[in-house]
Amino acid sequence: QVQLVESGGGLVKPGGSLRLSCAASGFTFSDHYMSWIRQAPGKGLEWVAYISSSSSFTNYAESVKGRFTISRDSAKNSLFLQMNSLRVEDTAVYYCARARSLDYWGQGTLVTVSS
Amino acid sequence: DIQMTQSPSSLSASVGDRITITCRASQVIANSLAWYQQKPGKAPELLLYGASTLKSGVPSRFTGGGSGTEFTLTISSLQPEDFATYYCQQYYTTPRTFGQGTKLEIK
Repeated sequence: QVQLVESGGGLVKPGGSLRLSCAASGFTFSDHYMSWIRQAPGKGLEWVAYISSSSSFTNYAESVKGRFTISRDSAKNSLFLQMNSLRVEDTAVYYCARARSLDYWGQGTLVTVSS
Repeated sequence: DIQMTQSPSSLSASVGDRITITCRASQVIANSLAWYQQKPGKAPELLLYGASTLKSGVPSRFTGGGSGTEFTLTISSLQPEDFATYYCQQYYTTPRTFGQGTKLEIK
């Protein structure tokens, strides 16, 4: 069965960096677009970034462009989100999800940006 | 950016009721629309994509309709497990955008 497991969240100070990982299993990872979506506490969903199956294309929300980098390693069936210059407003649960229709989601990892 | 507006923002209903949630896009998105259900403390789950295609395993009481700019999610006979928050999302173009959510509560 399809499984996505995020890790790497935690508490970081404003201006700091964090790298999130998403381990995929149960499907052919290299066949699918992958995305990151976040949800601030008590708020709605916000799409963050996506990467094409071959890593040829990436796209970012304006709110993270230039600070976050999405990448993938198909040999390790893993998706990553490098987050630099973190801001208080980046505090959220970060989810990875499969495909353009986000048909499977991980359980999320909490990122807290606070001094 | 394409704005997605859901209505209502919250809804109270009883088990067995039929309810409809509307999602409007600020520009044409063809049928590139998905609906998700989220329960407290859990990740969202895909219900429908392509505006009206049910994901495998999702109960048939969930139906989706519409195209262009106006879309609907209907639950034909509410079950206790359906009380949750529902989101629409367009994947016609980037940035992908979500509606603000509709919280469905038990009356």
